[in-house]
Amino acid sequence: AQRVTQPEKLLSVFKGAPVELKCNYSYSGSPELFWYVQYSRQRLQLLLRHISRESIKGFTADLNKGETSFHLKKPFAQEEDSAMYYCALSGINTGFQKLVFGTGTRLLVSP
Amino acid sequence: EAGVAQSPRYKIIEKRQSVAFWCNPISGHATLYWYQQILGQGPKLLIQFQNNGVVDDSQLPKDRFSAERLKGVDSTLKIQPAKLEDSAVYLCASSRTDGLENEQYFGPGTRLTVT
Repeated sequence: AQRVTQPEKLLSVFKGAPVELKCNYSYSGSPELFWYVQYSRQRLQLLLRHISRESIKGFTADLNKGETSFHLKKPFAQEEDSAMYYCALSGINTGFQKLVFGTGTRLLVSP
Repeated sequence: EAGVAQSPRYKIIEKRQSVAFWCNPISGHATLYWYQQILGQGPKLLIQFQNNGVVDDSQLPKDRFSAERLKGVDSTLKIQPAKLEDSAVYLCASSRTDGLENEQYFGPGTRLTVT
């Protein structure tokens, strides 16, 4: 079974501080991992995926298969980063994308 | 390009009543998804369509939920009869195809309250 765990419901930091949103997953096959973000009054949208190995809005995430983790990191948080962040997993052995989401972490960046 | 459209945005009904939600995906997107998001949880996939065929409906409570995607474009999700535990935000998403490389685009959601 696929499972995604985000242990923190709320992460509160000051502007300029480093941020790490934790995500651990459980899946027996090869996973594809995603981070989705929902800003206030906006739609859920893709932030980044591990296969792209991109840095989006200063955020990066590295898939660690040994620790089954896909933590989201940013060295210097900005107020506009305040949002709800969801980690999601899709098993690639099904051949199609079927997302399983974590419960989400609310990031609050204070001035 | 226009995003995924959903209606209504809010709906309040009494338990045992029926309700229907409508979704219009992004033009040209073959894959359509319905998710249920209960307060404090992440979205949970209910059903996935590829064109007008069902790819996955393993988590759809089929005794009360039904969904269709006639002509492979718009889709409706129906609940009949509703229970208190159906109170949630129902999200529709679409993607170009169902391949792993495709981004899912989400609609604004319909917030359902069952009293």
